[in-house]
Amino acid sequence: SAVISQKPSRDICQRGTSLTIQCQVDSQVTMMFWYRQQPGQSLTLIATANQGSEATYESGFVIDKFPISRPNLTFSTLTVSNMSPEDSSIYLCSSKGQGNEQFFGPGTRLTVL
Amino acid sequence: GNSVTQMEGPVTLSEEAFLTINCTYTATGYPSLFWYVQYPGEGLQLLLKATKADDKGSNKGFEATYRKETTSFHLEKGSVQVSDSAVYFCALLRGGGNKLTFGTGTQLKVEL
Repeated sequence: SAVISQKPSRDICQRGTSLTIQCQVDSQVTMMFWYRQQPGQSLTLIATANQGSEATYESGFVIDKFPISRPNLTFSTLTVSNMSPEDSSIYLCSSKGQGNEQFFGPGTRLTVL
Repeated sequence: GNSVTQMEGPVTLSEEAFLTINCTYTATGYPSLFWYVQYPGEGLQLLLKATKADDKGSNKGFEATYRKETTSFHLEKGSVQVSDSAVYFCALLRGGGNKLTFGTGTQLKVEL
């Protein structure tokens, strides 16, 4: 299974600012994914990040709010833009394994004041 | 559309008790089914999976059987430990797709 790291592990940010979250995989993977887990809730897919093409966003999520980069096969970033307290969540990245399973990073715990 | 329904928590058990966490799903086609575990303050870890009907996934004493006739994938463990205290998520992946659909999660608390 892939080993995935994320930075930062947590942050406290002010309303109106932006935060970029980094996700690093220890092997080359075709597909990476970004999820949001709001407090006490389940996970919701934000977007799929493919290398060499624009990210594919799920309903309710837009590129202006959550721009994503995927410069190579081991790295991706998610930016949470113009943050509000409603953006306080855990943000997790994942990658697809050899089969159809997905492996997750440890998450970034974001609090917006 | 696809959906996953899990039993509500928290589930509180004594150590060495038998565990069942119910999971049922709605999906078109033949999805793959997964159980993930989230320990306090950590990300999700894949616990087990099953990719077709009657498959049994197992890991660390946990097991779940893919039951197509009842559209279920219940998680079981014969003897839980305090260290099993976590939130457990059932999830499905539609055949040929990449989007995991998660249940709401079930918190398990195991006490001495």
